[in-house]
Amino acid sequence: QQQVKQSPQSLIVQKGGIPIINCAYENTAFDYFPWYQQFPGKGPALLIAIRPDVSEKKEGRFTISFNKSAKQFSLHIMDSQPGDSATYFCAASRGGADGLTFGKGTHLIIQP
Amino acid sequence: SQTIHQWPATLVQPVGSPLSLECTVEGTSNPNLYWYRQAAGRGLQLLFYSVGIGQISSEVPQNLSASRPQDRQFILSSKKLLLSDSGFYLCAWSRGGHSNTEAFFGQGTRLTVV
Repeated sequence: QQQVKQSPQSLIVQKGGIPIINCAYENTAFDYFPWYQQFPGKGPALLIAIRPDVSEKKEGRFTISFNKSAKQFSLHIMDSQPGDSATYFCAASRGGADGLTFGKGTHLIIQP
Repeated sequence: SQTIHQWPATLVQPVGSPLSLECTVEGTSNPNLYWYRQAAGRGLQLLFYSVGIGQISSEVPQNLSASRPQDRQFILSSKKLLLSDSGFYLCAWSRGGHSNTEAFFGQGTRLTVV
């Protein structure tokens, strides 16, 4: 059972455009929603995270939008650059230390 | 500052051979520790997590085991590798004693079973 569904699987955007990656979750016990960026052959790096008490969080060019009633959240990358080309993962977790449930990832390419 | 070390970076092992991957964390005490496996197109799957020495929780039944012999050391093992054990293995840590804090990943081990 996939508890976090991520789309699209791949995405190509021109430099300066705003790629949007969407995730939907099923488990209402989830209360922490991070996004990770991964470059080939490297471990994922935490980009930004949100908790369900807010509807939006912005850090630099990265913004998370969160819709608790729809059980959906999305990542927007403003003024995208070729260096943003990577695989992006959304994730979710419940309270406690029992780890993250990940989406399947989005392979993003920013064309110059 | 905290750092996480994971080794080796790549490993090629024959079917039926044993496995030992090691992960250590520096700069923090009593971290929560995790092993994930990443397969192409399938995201990251949580394999094991640990909240303290000797305390291991398994998320999926499999051919692998984990141990935590010291506070900041986490080991992933197998007695006999299968072809299906091939993948990218990632260790991660988060602050112990807190719920839902950031998780930080190591650089991973690419395991190929041949």
